[in-house]
Amino acid sequence: KQEVTQIPAALSVPEGENLVLNCSFTDSAIYNLQWFRQDPGKGLTSLLLIQSSQREQTSGRLNASLDKSSGRSTLYIAASQPGDSATYLCAPGASDDYKLSFGAGTTVTVRA
Amino acid sequence: DGGITQSPKYLFRKEGQNVTLSCEQNLNHDAMYWYRQDPGQGLRLIYYSQIVNDFQKGDIAEGYSVSREKKESFPLTVTSAQKNPTAFYLCASSQHLGNYGYTFGSGTRLTVV
Repeated sequence: KQEVTQIPAALSVPEGENLVLNCSFTDSAIYNLQWFRQDPGKGLTSLLLIQSSQREQTSGRLNASLDKSSGRSTLYIAASQPGDSATYLCAPGASDDYKLSFGAGTTVTVRA
Repeated sequence: DGGITQSPKYLFRKEGQNVTLSCEQNLNHDAMYWYRQDPGQGLRLIYYSQIVNDFQKGDIAEGYSVSREKKESFPLTVTSAQKNPTAFYLCASSQHLGNYGYTFGSGTRLTVV
């Protein structure tokens, strides 16, 4: 069974700092990995999807890396803004049945 | 705009009562999913459906039931057999099962009273 761990559980930074969010998973047999954002009491918004053959994926100020063999992914957010405050969840997709396994998330607070 | 609509936003259930959560999508996606989210935990898969008239149990299906009679709709029933139903329920869809991004609804918060 895939176990997903996200460290740290919470993070508070001043505006303008770069954010580094870590995700580790126990089963390296993944098909892809997705990063999501969740605002309080809301659904999830897809941020980035990395295929298992890719090393990284970028969208604007967001960059996600994937090291499948070591079971790690990192989400970088450059020049953080108060609007980046949210919970970020990592979800590797299994290579056999494609189902996603979710971590508990990292809750980010960006102080103005 | 295309998206997923979940209703109601808040739902209260009495002990021993069945309740149904609605999920409708207009994205023309084949695959749909139901997840449960508890505080401080990751999402857990309840049921999923790859195509109309087909659905599969996820990791925590006991006490829940679903149907997929139309491509656009995937309602979830929380039965009286679910002993701890208080949670945040999220519906999602993807083009197909597998290598595609997911779109999520805004969720239904279910509380037992």
